[in-house]
Amino acid sequence: KAGVTQTPRYLIKTRGQQVTLSCSPISGHRSVSWYQQTPGQGLQFLFEYFSETQRNKGNFPGRFSGRQFSNSRSEMNVSTLELGDSALYLCASSLRTGSNTEAFFGQGTRLTVV
Amino acid sequence: SQQGEEDPQALSIQEGENATMNCSYKTSINNLQWYRQNSGRGLVHLILIRSNEREKHSGRLRVTLDTSKKSSSLLITASRAADTASYFCATDAYGNNRLAFGKGNQVVVIP
Repeated sequence: KAGVTQTPRYLIKTRGQQVTLSCSPISGHRSVSWYQQTPGQGLQFLFEYFSETQRNKGNFPGRFSGRQFSNSRSEMNVSTLELGDSALYLCASSLRTGSNTEAFFGQGTRLTVV
Repeated sequence: SQQGEEDPQALSIQEGENATMNCSYKTSINNLQWYRQNSGRGLVHLILIRSNEREKHSGRLRVTLDTSKKSSSLLITASRAADTASYFCATDAYGNNRLAFGKGNQVVVIP
């Protein structure tokens, strides 16, 4: 079974631009969560999608948004990029929501904002 | 506030030795998961332990959970150079896939 696939792996953007990251979950998994990892703040939860609906949201500004498609693939978008948005963005795939299931992560997208 | 906080350790051990890491958290949980990360890459899922479980094994890994003390430990037996990585614990308070991660433990296994 293929794992969680995130694209692109690396991205360099300029302040003020916007960016879209993509995540394809493990086949059959319907829950996709997004996390931001920085040296200073560590791993922080952004949001979770299940059945094309956002179920949970972390404490991030509205510039961070996401969506999920009917095939469970998910995208996250960051608008008006700031230098502080430079981070490793990780996507996690789970079988379902609301239960004790493992979350499996992709390799991440490393975003650098210059 | 952040749940799932490992003891801020940087372990350096010889190959073949055991490595133990601890994690404490602040509120009640549904489950606790341990992950490994190599050099800023993706997280590899190691083990999930539910709140009603006390101990779990997977290969060379042994995880314990003490909900009365709100703590967990990860033991890696007979360590290998390939075990060199950062190890994170993450708590799921509501069983809704919203994981709260600790800062991570850096483990270096010297061949």
